[in-house]
Amino acid sequence: DAEITQSPRHKITETGRQVTLACHQTWNHNNMFWYRQDLGHGLRLIHYSYGVQDTNKGEVSDGYSVSRSNTEDLPLTLESAASSQTSVYFCASSDRAGTSGIHEQFFGPGTRLTVL
Amino acid sequence: SQQGEEDPQALSIQEGENATMNCSYKTSINNLQWYRQNSGRGLVHLILIRSNEREKHSGRLRVTLDTSKKSSSLLITASRAADTASYFCATTIQGAQKLVFGQGTRLTINP
Repeated sequence: DAEITQSPRHKITETGRQVTLACHQTWNHNNMFWYRQDLGHGLRLIHYSYGVQDTNKGEVSDGYSVSRSNTEDLPLTLESAASSQTSVYFCASSDRAGTSGIHEQFFGPGTRLTVL
Repeated sequence: SQQGEEDPQALSIQEGENATMNCSYKTSINNLQWYRQNSGRGLVHLILIRSNEREKHSGRLRVTLDTSKKSSSLLITASRAADTASYFCATTIQGAQKLVFGQGTRLTINP
């Protein structure tokens, strides 16, 4: 069965370290997204990609970067982790949007990141 | 700012009762989707309603959309303990392929 996985599921790191969160999907979806979820803010979009070599900034992209070298993976990198980046991170993917708008998104299980 | 705003933020009802959650949004949309999130898990898609639709059903779920009021509601009938979760609405703004999520409604079903 197709799925979307994230690793690690839990990560503790120190301020200033570079951290990379992995996201891998076997749906063969063109679109991939990274969100962070914090109490009181719901899900906020960090970065997204509509295909290989395409990346776009979301509403909270400062301090994060992504790269899309193949269809299956969209790793999220925190260049220099800050305590404000302690959060739960979700990766999602979806098929290319049709004329009626975007299709449903499929979410990974999440990564809980703590920055000390 | 958030495109979607859910109301209420939290809802607690008895098993067997109906649960209604509302979502309001600000700009014109292509479609509106509802997702469920169980504690500690990722979001799961429940239902999608297009901007030219007014009502949609899926099992015990009924979604309505009023584009003139820029609002949607999710009704869960005959609630069960397993329906305990957070529910989010998400909108696709015209011209964009990404979703904007509201802050969610936390639903608790008491046995």
